[in-house]
Amino acid sequence: DIVMTQSPLSLTVTPGQPASISCRSSQSLLESNTHNYLDWYLQRPGQSPQLLIYLGSNRASGVPDRFSGSGSGTDFTLKISRVEAEDVGIYYCMQALQTPLTFGGGTRVEIK
Amino acid sequence: EVQLVESGGGLVQPGGYLRLSCETSGFTFSNYWMTWVRQAPGKGLEWVASIKEDGSEKYYLDSVKGRLTISRDNARNLVFLQMNSPRGEDTAVYYCARDREGYSYGYYYNGMDVWGQGTTVTVSS
Repeated sequence: DIVMTQSPLSLTVTPGQPASISCRSSQSLLESNTHNYLDWYLQRPGQSPQLLIYLGSNRASGVPDRFSGSGSGTDFTLKISRVEAEDVGIYYCMQALQTPLTFGGGTRVEIK
Repeated sequence: EVQLVESGGGLVQPGGYLRLSCETSGFTFSNYWMTWVRQAPGKGLEWVASIKEDGSEKYYLDSVKGRLTISRDNARNLVFLQMNSPRGEDTAVYYCARDREGYSYGYYYNGMDVWGQGTTVTVSS
């Protein structure tokens, strides 16, 4: 199974400041030298998860452009250019390359 | 509007039976793989099972193989998760999610872009 490791476990950010979350996979998520099968999801308190980024760097429909994903192979990063109050929640990376699909342990983001 | 609505959760005894349903609308259901993801109380997300658009292939988390069964009814736009002999560790909120879009020779992957609100399963005597 592919193991996904996120860091940090938690993050407290001042509104308007940037934030960055790292995700590392135990094996490459790059398929056919084209797509990295790595997603980012946000679960706001009391809500279902929502897709932010798919295939490493593609923003999902309706996701603000302050969210960006980067990386390739085994190392990935989610960046929020200017954190807003509504960005509070737990962020998960997930590999979709092979079953079992596996999630990182999550990064809790709070506002200062 | 694309929508997924889960139902069927509740309290079930260990060794009992429960069937979760996910009613879908707003998209061509028969084109998409569907996936169940669960979240135990206070824990992170865990993939449970996925089913191909035509139901011809199913994939399971090892710990649920033989006990949980994913299926779908493309005529009624429904996906199911049947829980036979559930265990305490199956206690969780279960979410259904729209997965990749299949075609003849493969699929297009755009993330699990639509999720339901979840249904809670508690396994306890």
